[in-house]
Amino acid sequence: EIVMTQSPATLSVSPGERATVSCRASQSVSSNLAWYQQKPGQAPRLLIYGASTRATGIPARFSGSGSGTEFTLTISSLQSEDFAVYYCQQYNNWPGTFGQGTKVEIK
Amino acid sequence: EVQLLESGGGLVQPGGSLRLSCAASGFTFSSYAMSWVRQAPGKGLEWVSAISGSGGSTYYADSVKGRFTISRDNSKNTLYLQMNSLRAEDTAVYYCAKVGSETLGWYFDLWGRGTLVTVSS
Repeated sequence: EIVMTQSPATLSVSPGERATVSCRASQSVSSNLAWYQQKPGQAPRLLIYGASTRATGIPARFSGSGSGTEFTLTISSLQSEDFAVYYCQQYNNWPGTFGQGTKVEIK
Repeated sequence: EVQLLESGGGLVQPGGSLRLSCAASGFTFSSYAMSWVRQAPGKGLEWVSAISGSGGSTYYADSVKGRFTISRDNSKNTLYLQMNSLRAEDTAVYYCAKVGSETLGWYFDLWGRGTLVTVSS
């Protein structure tokens, strides 16, 4: 099973600032990497798939990059609605595995 | 409206059984693989099981293999998860999720609101 490790566990950012979340895979997953956003009491929402393709309706301030084992989710200018937990997921190998999550909180 | 609506969760004793359902609407259900993903209280996401659009292929996490059975009824646009021999560690919110594309990869582009399963005596 591929282990996905996210860092940091918690990220404190002021509104309007840039936030960067990292995700590392224990072995190569090519570009088969997705990012999700989850707010308290809500289901996850797909942000990015294919490591860098934004899902339908996702604002351009969200971007993804990387391939192989190192990936990054960047939120260029944090809005109030972006404070949430973010998960990466590899779907290159069965079973698809998730990172442990990164909480982006207001500084 | 494109949506998934889970039902069937509740409180069950260890060793008991429960059947979850997920009603899909707003898209051609039979064209998409579907999955169940769970989240224990205060924890992260864990993929549980998946099924191809035709229902001919099924997949399970090792933690539930032999105890859970995924199925679908494409005539009713409904996904199921039969859960037997339940354990305390199965306590979680169970989400139904639509796979974006079986050919591009099994990421999840639509999620239901989830149904809580609590295994406790």
